[in-house]
Amino acid sequence: GDSVTQMEGPVTLSEEAFLTINCTYTATGYPSLFWYVQYPGEGLQLLLKATKADDKGSNKGFEATYRKETTSFHLEKGSVQVSDSAVYFCALSTRGQNFVFGPGTRLSVLP
Amino acid sequence: KAGVTQTPRYLIKTRGQQVTLSCSPISGHRSVSWYQQTPGQGLQFLFEYFSETQRNKGNFPGRFSGRQFSNSRSEMNVSTLELGDSALYLCASSLVSGSNNEQFFGPGTRLTVL
Repeated sequence: GDSVTQMEGPVTLSEEAFLTINCTYTATGYPSLFWYVQYPGEGLQLLLKATKADDKGSNKGFEATYRKETTSFHLEKGSVQVSDSAVYFCALSTRGQNFVFGPGTRLSVLP
Repeated sequence: KAGVTQTPRYLIKTRGQQVTLSCSPISGHRSVSWYQQTPGQGLQFLFEYFSETQRNKGNFPGRFSGRQFSNSRSEMNVSTLELGDSALYLCASSLVSGSNNEQFFGPGTRLTVL
């Protein structure tokens, strides 16, 4: 079945550091790819998405590019802030199937 | 537009009891999915409802059930609670079922089983 693998962390960075969270997937169809973020005590919020190969999703300084050749959707941000501390989930959705989420990566940003 | 709402936000039950959780999707959304989130297992898909019909089901025992009403509101029920059912239960809504549309999540219901 479809699956998502991502680095589980925790990842600890200093403020203004560069962030990369790796995500790779396995899917039988042509999935849409998503990054969700979960702040403490809250539900998940959509951060960005990409629906086809070579699409780049971006939001709030975060970016991820849909790489079909490497089946990857790595999340990047050039300069993280303390307020970015959260758990980040990579996910995929294939038409006709339910969402599949990765295990989540906890990010802590220190001032 | 109001977001996905879940009630109650917190619940404490004892083993053997049953519980019902409620989810109201975003207005116009007809698909509702339920997830269980635990530190050990992460996010696990429970089931999805669309137009009052269960469309997909995850790998959970029959103690976990759900339903959807004509106004798209959904409830999930857990009977004969076990300690391992302690988790954050998340509801997510989307416009339609089986598409690649993003899901919008509620804040969750934190269930503690003693």
